[in-house]
This record gives sequence, C-alpha cells and structure tokens, in this order.
Amino acid sequence: DQQVKQNSPSLSVQEGRISILNCDYTNSMFDYFLWYKKYPAEGPTFLISISSIKDKNEDGRFTVFLNKSAKHLSLHIVPSQPGDSAVYFCAASAGGGAQKLVFGQGTRLTINP
Amino acid sequence: DAGITQSPRHKVTETGTPVTLRCHQTENHRYMYWYRQDPGHGLRLIHYSYGVKDTDKGEVSDGYSVSRSKTEDFLLTLESATSSQTSVYFCASSSGNTIYFGEGSWLTVV
Repeated sequence: DQQVKQNSPSLSVQEGRISILNCDYTNSMFDYFLWYKKYPAEGPTFLISISSIKDKNEDGRFTVFLNKSAKHLSLHIVPSQPGDSAVYFCAASAGGGAQKLVFGQGTRLTINP
Repeated sequence: DAGITQSPRHKVTETGTPVTLRCHQTENHRYMYWYRQDPGHGLRLIHYSYGVKDTDKGEVSDGYSVSRSKTEDFLLTLESATSSQTSVYFCASSSGNTIYFGEGSWLTVV
C-alpha cells in the first residue's frame, strides 16, 4: 500500500514559469516531510523540508506547502530554470525527524526553454 | 553532502551468487540506510541501522541482510541474488533532520 503518492509521473513547464509538484500521503502519523531532487546517475539530493507544525516553508525559489487536513503537500518552484529539470521525490517520516523516510514514486520535471 | 561513498558502483552478477554492497560515510552519523530504486516505486527502504550492530528491517527486506561493525560502514548482502533484485541501490545516512544519499550502486542479476 503506497503511503506516499505522487500521481503525476511527469510535468513539463516553460522556463520562467511556476512549477508545482504535488504529493499526497495516507498515514496520519507522518509529521515531517521532505523533497528531494535527483539527476540521472546521481543520488537524490535534499531540497527542502517542512514540519507538521508549519504550513509553509520557503528557501529561495523553492516553497513547500503542507495541508494536513487534506494530507497533501506541494512544492512550488518560481521561477523555473532549465537546471531544475530532474526527478523530484517527496518523502515523509513519523517521529519528528528524517528517519526511515517513505518516498513517493517521483515526478519527472522538464523545463522547456 | 555527507561524504557517502558506495562500492561497487556497477556490478553484473549471476543468479544464485552472493553479492555485498559497501557503504562508507565520513560524517559520524548514527543512522544509516539502504534503499532500492525501481521504476514506479520510488525509493523503498530495505534495512536501516541506528547504531553499531543495531539494525532493523525496512519495507522490502526479504532476501537481504545487513551488518554494521563500525559507525562509518554499512554493508548490504544479497545471500543468493535473484533477477528481481536487479535495481539501483542507494546508501544513506542521517543527521536527524535530513537524510543524505550516496551516488548509487547499479546491480544487474542475470
């Protein structure tokens, strides 16, 4: 049973526009959420995280929003750049920290010039 | 980066043979993990360790064992490799609020 779901396998966005990646979860015990970015033939790299006590966290061009009642989080990238083309994974954990992360299937983001 | 190195980076092996993947981290992180990545599944946790000689199973642990004799090293062993274990394997370590990943080990079982 997939506890963390990314229902869009791929997303194509024009350079300079906003990219919105979505993630849903089913386990109400999850209280810490992270986004990772992955280039081909490389390991995932940490992008941004959010605790369940917040509903928004911002870091430069990246903002993560958390809607606990809907069990939904999203990653906004503004403005999108060609270097943002990658696979993005959302991940969740229970217990307040980044331990035993449960990952979504990933969304491949392509930024078109 | 957490200074995580994996070896080998690429390996082709035959069905039924044992395989060991090695992970080394230089950050003195307490927690270490082995994940596998497969199309349509994202990354799934195989085993993890919360200290030297302290390990536990993850979501997809069948057919795998692990050992951690030193803080910096975490080994993943496939006792008898099967074609379903063809995958990309990622080692990771955790500082508490973030998990850092290695570069991955591509394993093909023929």
